[in-house]
Amino acid sequence: DGGITQSPKYLFRKEGQNVTLSCEQNLNHDAMYWYRQDPGQGLRLIYYSQIVNDFQKGDIAEGYSVSREKKESFPLTVTSAQKNPTAFYLCASSYLTGQPQHFGDGTRLSIL
Amino acid sequence: DQQVKQNSPSLSVQEGRISILNCDYTNSMFDYFLWYKKYPAEGPTFLISISSIKDKNEDGRFTVFLNKSAKHLSLHIVPSQPGDSAVYFCAASAKNYGGSQGNLIFGKGTKLSVKP
Repeated sequence: DGGITQSPKYLFRKEGQNVTLSCEQNLNHDAMYWYRQDPGQGLRLIYYSQIVNDFQKGDIAEGYSVSREKKESFPLTVTSAQKNPTAFYLCASSYLTGQPQHFGDGTRLSIL
Repeated sequence: DQQVKQNSPSLSVQEGRISILNCDYTNSMFDYFLWYKKYPAEGPTFLISISSIKDKNEDGRFTVFLNKSAKHLSLHIVPSQPGDSAVYFCAASAKNYGGSQGNLIFGKGTKLSVKP
């Protein structure tokens, strides 16, 4: 079955540490996205990539970094510069920007 | 400033009745609108969409209505079922403009509870 896989489902980070969230898709989608969801909030766009080896900042990119070396993979690194990293992180993909996006099941990141 | 607004954080409906979820937007460049359904600890799943050239789109129990002059859309679920209980997100994009403007902008969501 095609889909998006995010791992791990739960992640804990110590203060001052970088941590990388994995996102893999086998839908042959060109575009991939990372969102953050906080309680009572909508989904806010962190980074997006329309094609391999290219990515753009979203609305809340500070403290995050991404890479897109392969079409299938779009890992997100939460750096120590992100002052409030505790949140639910969602990865998504679509054929093109503006098309319906397919989402993974998310990674919940908590700070120890 | 929120470009996509869902002003009702929650909605409770009896099983078998109609559920109406509302969404307002401010950006007149938006030309494509979507509804997503989300269960706790899962990613959102795409439900239904509508292009700005239409005012209604129907898929089974789900119908989306678009009122461009009022910059308002709504999702109707008839009949409502307990399994419909979830958070519903409205999203919009300026699809025909492409690039970053084609990205989806999400509302904050409305939590629907369908009681047996």
